[in-house]
Amino acid sequence: EPEVTQTPSHQVTQMGQEVILRCVPISNHLYFYWYRQILGQKVEFLVSFYNNEISEKSEIFDDQFSVERPDGSNFTLKIRSTKLEDSAMYFCASTAGIGETQYFGPGTRLLVL
Amino acid sequence: QKEVEQNSGPLSVPEGAIASLNCTYSDRVSQSFFWYRQYSGKSPELIMSIYSNGDKEDGRFTAQLNKASQYVSLLIRDSQPSDSATYLCAVNTMAGGTSYGKLTFGQGTILTVHP
Repeated sequence: EPEVTQTPSHQVTQMGQEVILRCVPISNHLYFYWYRQILGQKVEFLVSFYNNEISEKSEIFDDQFSVERPDGSNFTLKIRSTKLEDSAMYFCASTAGIGETQYFGPGTRLLVL
Repeated sequence: QKEVEQNSGPLSVPEGAIASLNCTYSDRVSQSFFWYRQYSGKSPELIMSIYSNGDKEDGRFTAQLNKASQYVSLLIRDSQPSDSATYLCAVNTMAGGTSYGKLTFGQGTILTVHP
């Protein structure tokens, strides 16, 4: 069964460093998303991406964040200068159509020290 | 702000009982509704999707949607200890009348099924 994959599973970084989180969505899916979940809190939407451009972003997704689909399979989230409050679990999700089921990857646990 | 509200629990039921999980949402034009299960430290895993008013059954799970009341629920029959997890209600919300597929999640209901 096809699945969304994410790397790395864990990332520890120093405050102010750049991190890149990687995702491989399900191959025939067209819509891609990043969500995050701070420990003990709800899953929060960050950004949606379709046809090589951002379609919607949340207030959390400020200038420190960027997304890219550098090739036909990968989908990346970059945080330019990490802050302590960026520590969270980051989930990538993909879907074949708007409003259809989104399938989540296993997540990357990011810890900023 | 478009919200999704769930009773955070914890909800504790004995093995074999019916667990009832509830969710309300504020965005009246929402069209797609999902229940995800999340084990501690893991990612959300789809349990059920529902798009039309009424009931939808899949094995031991039944989702119920009432758009007029802006209410969606999940019933788990014959609850098993392996059902113990956090159950997330998610709603596909619109931005300016357009949907880009964004999911808005509730805070989740912690379910414990005890033997």
